[in-house]
Amino acid sequence: GQNIDQPTEMTATEGAIVQINCTYQTSGFNGLFWYQQHAGEAPTFLSYNVLDGLEEKGRFSSFLSRSKGYSYLLLKELQMKDSASYLCAVREGGKLIFGQGTELSVKP
Amino acid sequence: KAGVTQTPRYLIKTRGQQVTLSCSPISGHRSVSWYQQTPGQGLQFLFEYFSETQRNKGNFPGRFSGRQFSNSRSEMNVSTLELGDSALYLCASSLDWGGGTEAFFGQGTRLTVV
Repeated sequence: GQNIDQPTEMTATEGAIVQINCTYQTSGFNGLFWYQQHAGEAPTFLSYNVLDGLEEKGRFSSFLSRSKGYSYLLLKELQMKDSASYLCAVREGGKLIFGQGTELSVKP
Repeated sequence: KAGVTQTPRYLIKTRGQQVTLSCSPISGHRSVSWYQQTPGQGLQFLFEYFSETQRNKGNFPGRFSGRQFSNSRSEMNVSTLELGDSALYLCASSLDWGGGTEAFFGQGTRLTVV
Protein backbone atom coordinates (compact mmCIF):
# COMPACT_ATOMS: atom_id res chain seq x y z
CA GLY A 1 0.00 0.00 0.00
CA GLN A 2 0.89 3.65 0.15
CA ASN A 3 1.99 5.23 3.37
CA ILE A 4 3.73 8.49 4.11
CA ASP A 5 4.51 9.32 7.72
CA GLN A 6 5.65 12.56 9.26
CA PRO A 7 5.29 13.96 12.77
CA THR A 8 2.03 15.80 13.40
CA GLU A 9 3.51 18.72 15.31
CA MET A 10 6.87 20.23 16.15
CA THR A 11 7.93 23.27 18.12
CA ALA A 12 11.23 25.12 17.79
CA THR A 13 12.80 28.38 18.85
CA GLU A 14 13.53 31.35 16.63
CA GLY A 15 17.10 31.19 15.33
CA ALA A 16 17.40 27.45 15.91
CA ILE A 17 17.58 24.52 13.47
CA VAL A 18 14.77 22.01 13.04
CA GLN A 19 14.63 18.74 11.12
CA ILE A 20 11.31 17.35 9.91
CA ASN A 21 11.42 13.67 9.01
CA CYS A 22 9.34 11.81 6.45
CA THR A 23 9.23 8.07 5.83
CA TYR A 24 7.40 6.56 2.92
CA GLN A 25 6.25 3.29 1.45
CA THR A 26 4.84 3.57 -2.05
CA SER A 27 4.52 1.20 -4.97
CA GLY A 28 6.30 3.64 -7.27
CA PHE A 29 8.74 6.52 -6.85
CA ASN A 30 9.45 9.44 -9.17
CA GLY A 31 10.75 11.91 -6.63
CA LEU A 32 9.98 13.45 -3.26
CA PHE A 33 8.68 16.95 -2.71
CA TRP A 34 8.50 19.24 0.28
CA TYR A 35 5.91 21.99 0.42
CA GLN A 36 5.20 24.74 2.92
CA GLN A 37 1.61 25.70 3.58
CA HIS A 38 0.46 28.61 5.70
CA ALA A 39 -3.05 28.45 7.09
CA GLY A 40 -5.64 29.28 4.45
CA GLU A 41 -3.11 29.40 1.65
CA ALA A 42 -1.95 27.08 -1.13
CA PRO A 43 1.15 24.89 -0.72
CA THR A 44 4.39 26.56 -1.79
CA PHE A 45 7.09 24.44 -3.41
CA LEU A 46 10.24 24.13 -1.30
CA SER A 47 12.32 21.28 -2.69
CA TYR A 48 12.41 18.24 -4.94
CA ASN A 49 14.71 15.23 -4.55
CA VAL A 50 14.89 12.38 -7.01
CA LEU A 51 18.42 11.14 -6.30
CA ASP A 52 19.93 10.25 -2.94
CA GLY A 53 21.70 12.99 -1.08
CA LEU A 54 21.31 16.50 0.18
CA GLU A 55 19.86 19.43 -1.76
CA GLU A 56 20.55 22.84 -0.25
CA LYS A 57 18.60 25.97 -1.04
CA GLY A 58 19.30 28.90 1.25
CA ARG A 59 18.00 28.23 4.77
CA PHE A 60 16.27 25.05 3.60
CA SER A 61 17.88 21.70 2.82
CA SER A 62 16.28 18.40 1.91
CA PHE A 63 17.77 14.94 2.11
CA LEU A 64 16.68 11.71 0.46
CA SER A 65 17.59 8.06 0.95
CA ARG A 66 15.62 5.93 -1.49
CA SER A 67 16.87 2.63 -0.07
CA LYS A 68 15.56 3.59 3.38
CA GLY A 69 12.39 5.29 2.15
CA TYR A 70 13.40 8.33 4.15
CA SER A 71 13.67 12.06 3.70
CA TYR A 72 14.10 15.06 5.91
CA LEU A 73 13.67 18.80 5.57
CA LEU A 74 16.16 20.92 7.49
CA LEU A 75 15.31 24.50 8.32
CA LYS A 76 18.12 26.71 9.64
CA GLU A 77 18.04 30.10 11.35
CA LEU A 78 14.35 29.72 12.05
CA GLN A 79 12.16 32.79 11.71
CA MET A 80 8.68 33.39 13.06
CA LYS A 81 7.33 33.35 9.51
CA ASP A 82 8.46 29.72 9.19
CA SER A 83 5.51 28.72 11.39
CA ALA A 84 3.45 26.68 8.93
CA SER A 85 2.52 23.17 7.90
CA TYR A 86 5.23 21.25 6.03
CA LEU A 87 4.03 18.62 3.61
CA CYS A 88 6.06 15.68 2.37
CA ALA A 89 4.83 14.21 -0.91
CA VAL A 90 6.00 11.30 -3.04
CA ARG A 91 5.48 11.41 -6.76
CA GLU A 92 4.19 8.09 -8.00
CA GLY A 93 3.79 8.18 -11.75
CA GLY A 94 1.83 11.32 -12.44
CA LYS A 95 0.35 11.87 -9.01
CA LEU A 96 1.58 13.24 -5.70
CA ILE A 97 0.81 11.27 -2.55
CA PHE A 98 0.90 13.52 0.47
CA GLY A 99 1.60 12.93 4.11
CA GLN A 100 -0.71 14.56 6.63
CA GLY A 101 1.76 17.40 7.18
CA THR A 102 3.84 18.58 10.12
CA GLU A 103 2.61 21.69 11.91
CA LEU A 104 5.69 23.67 12.92
CA SER A 105 5.41 26.36 15.56
CA VAL A 106 8.32 28.75 15.93
CA LYS A 107 8.49 30.43 19.36
CA PRO A 108 10.43 33.61 20.19
CA LYS B 1 6.23 34.67 -15.63
CA ALA B 2 2.73 34.14 -14.26
CA GLY B 3 2.08 31.32 -11.83
CA VAL B 4 -0.77 28.86 -11.72
CA THR B 5 -4.13 30.64 -11.85
CA GLN B 6 -7.30 29.16 -10.43
CA THR B 7 -10.74 30.68 -10.73
CA PRO B 8 -12.90 31.39 -8.92
CA ARG B 9 -11.18 31.77 -5.56
CA TYR B 10 -14.34 31.21 -3.56
CA LEU B 11 -17.66 29.53 -4.29
CA ILE B 12 -20.79 28.80 -2.32
CA LYS B 13 -23.14 26.22 -3.78
CA THR B 14 -26.23 24.35 -2.66
CA ARG B 15 -26.48 20.58 -2.32
CA GLY B 16 -27.43 18.97 -5.59
CA GLN B 17 -25.99 21.70 -7.77
CA GLN B 18 -22.96 21.29 -9.97
CA VAL B 19 -19.80 23.38 -10.16
CA THR B 20 -16.97 23.96 -12.62
CA LEU B 21 -13.53 25.09 -11.50
CA SER B 22 -10.80 26.38 -13.80
CA CYS B 23 -7.02 26.13 -13.74
CA SER B 24 -4.51 27.80 -16.04
CA PRO B 25 -1.03 26.28 -15.67
CA ILE B 26 2.29 28.07 -15.86
CA SER B 27 3.11 28.97 -19.45
CA GLY B 28 4.82 26.02 -21.11
CA HIS B 29 3.61 23.49 -18.55
CA ARG B 30 1.54 20.72 -20.09
CA SER B 31 0.53 18.68 -17.07
CA VAL B 32 -2.26 19.71 -14.71
CA SER B 33 -3.24 17.74 -11.63
CA TRP B 34 -6.15 18.35 -9.28
CA TYR B 35 -6.24 17.79 -5.52
CA GLN B 36 -8.85 18.08 -2.81
CA GLN B 37 -7.78 19.31 0.62
CA THR B 38 -9.91 18.87 3.73
CA PRO B 39 -8.94 19.11 7.40
CA GLY B 40 -9.70 15.44 7.99
CA GLN B 41 -8.24 13.84 4.86
CA GLY B 42 -5.42 16.20 3.98
CA LEU B 43 -4.43 16.56 0.33
CA GLN B 44 -5.85 13.87 -1.92
CA PHE B 45 -5.19 13.34 -5.60
CA LEU B 46 -8.18 13.64 -7.93
CA PHE B 47 -6.77 13.31 -11.45
CA GLU B 48 -4.01 14.39 -13.81
CA TYR B 49 -4.25 15.62 -17.37
CA PHE B 50 -1.54 15.81 -20.00
CA SER B 51 -2.00 16.64 -23.67
CA GLU B 52 -5.78 16.74 -23.21
CA THR B 53 -5.84 13.15 -21.89
CA GLN B 54 -6.51 11.95 -18.36
CA ARG B 55 -3.38 10.05 -17.33
CA ASN B 56 -4.15 9.20 -13.72
CA LYS B 57 -7.24 9.10 -11.56
CA GLY B 58 -7.61 9.00 -7.79
CA ASN B 59 -10.27 7.28 -5.71
CA PHE B 60 -13.12 9.71 -6.10
CA PRO B 61 -16.67 8.99 -7.33
CA GLY B 62 -17.71 9.60 -10.90
CA ARG B 63 -19.35 12.89 -9.87
CA PHE B 64 -15.85 14.34 -10.12
CA SER B 65 -14.66 14.81 -13.66
CA GLY B 66 -12.29 16.99 -15.58
CA ARG B 67 -10.88 17.89 -18.92
CA GLN B 68 -7.96 19.69 -20.46
CA PHE B 69 -7.94 21.97 -23.46
CA SER B 70 -5.36 22.32 -26.23
CA ASN B 71 -3.83 25.35 -24.46
CA SER B 72 -3.29 23.15 -21.36
CA ARG B 73 -5.94 24.95 -19.32
CA SER B 74 -7.99 22.50 -17.31
CA GLU B 75 -11.43 22.42 -15.79
CA MET B 76 -12.81 20.26 -13.03
CA ASN B 77 -16.50 19.57 -12.64
CA VAL B 78 -18.37 18.23 -9.65
CA SER B 79 -21.99 17.26 -10.17
CA THR B 80 -24.74 16.63 -7.60
CA LEU B 81 -22.81 18.40 -4.88
CA GLU B 82 -22.80 16.97 -1.37
CA LEU B 83 -21.96 18.69 1.91
CA GLY B 84 -18.78 16.60 2.11
CA ASP B 85 -17.49 18.16 -1.10
CA SER B 86 -16.75 21.35 0.81
CA ALA B 87 -13.00 21.69 0.51
CA LEU B 88 -10.10 23.59 -0.93
CA TYR B 89 -9.53 22.42 -4.50
CA LEU B 90 -5.99 22.86 -5.72
CA CYS B 91 -4.44 22.36 -9.09
CA ALA B 92 -0.77 21.72 -9.69
CA SER B 93 1.17 22.51 -12.85
CA SER B 94 4.18 20.56 -14.14
CA LEU B 95 6.25 20.71 -17.29
CA ASP B 96 5.73 17.09 -18.14
CA TRP B 97 3.82 13.99 -17.13
CA GLY B 98 4.90 10.99 -15.14
CA GLY B 99 7.34 12.44 -12.68
CA GLY B 100 10.74 14.01 -12.78
CA THR B 101 9.66 17.62 -12.77
CA GLU B 102 8.69 20.12 -10.13
CA ALA B 103 5.02 20.74 -9.40
CA PHE B 104 3.63 24.17 -8.52
CA PHE B 105 0.23 24.82 -6.94
CA GLY B 106 -2.30 27.50 -7.63
CA GLN B 107 -4.02 29.46 -4.84
CA GLY B 108 -6.96 27.11 -4.89
CA THR B 109 -10.72 27.40 -5.05
CA ARG B 110 -12.48 27.19 -1.74
CA LEU B 111 -15.82 25.49 -2.29
CA THR B 112 -18.51 25.59 0.36
CA VAL B 113 -21.60 23.43 -0.10
CA VAL B 114 -24.60 24.40 2.00
